[in-house]
Amino acid sequence: TQLLEQSPQFLSIQEGENLTVYCNSSSVFSSLQWYRQEPGEGPVLLVTVVTGGEVKKLKRLTFQFGDARKDSSLHITAAQPGDTGLYLCAGARAGGTSYGKLTFGQGTILTVHP
Amino acid sequence: DTGVSQNPRHKITKRGQNVTFRCDPISEHNRLYWYRQTLGQGPEFLTYFQNEAQLEKSRLLSDRFSAERPKGSFSTLEIQRTEQGDSAMYLCASSLAGSQPQHFGDGTRLSIL
Repeated sequence: TQLLEQSPQFLSIQEGENLTVYCNSSSVFSSLQWYRQEPGEGPVLLVTVVTGGEVKKLKRLTFQFGDARKDSSLHITAAQPGDTGLYLCAGARAGGTSYGKLTFGQGTILTVHP
Repeated sequence: DTGVSQNPRHKITKRGQNVTFRCDPISEHNRLYWYRQTLGQGPEFLTYFQNEAQLEKSRLLSDRFSAERPKGSFSTLEIQRTEQGDSAMYLCASSLAGSQPQHFGDGTRLSIL
């Protein structure tokens, strides 16, 4: 069974602070996706990382895929109240009949206070 | 809007009743996935289709659950004889291919009384 451990589970910070969310596994993934989810809505894709060591930036968000493609991180610079939400990492398997099936972490609930 | 559409958005039913949910994927997306999400947790995989073929079912999907995608377009997920533990958000996602990112609908929230 492939598991993705996401930490921290809860994060409560003040506007302007920086934060990092971690996603770790003992399994190798062909790609890793980060989603953000608002209450009562479905997850919205933020980024997909595919290559080991890859770094992608999306405005104040920086995503990194570990060299061995087993872990990833999401760093937010100067957090804003609009960043509040549930952040989910999800890994996709490389092949076989489960190709494309996503395994999700348990999520990080981020609250940014004004 | 050409995103993934799920209906109904909310379903409240009594224990023991049958319920059916519908998912309309993004057009031309061959892959369609069903996930279940409970409060405070990440989604868990239930099953997926490549066109009309159901290729994998999770062990979470008991005999009371059945999913179809008869013409390779929309899909339905039926739960028979619902139980309290079935209360959750049921999410549908679609992708162009197995290697492509999945795009999610807003889900159907099921509440069992």
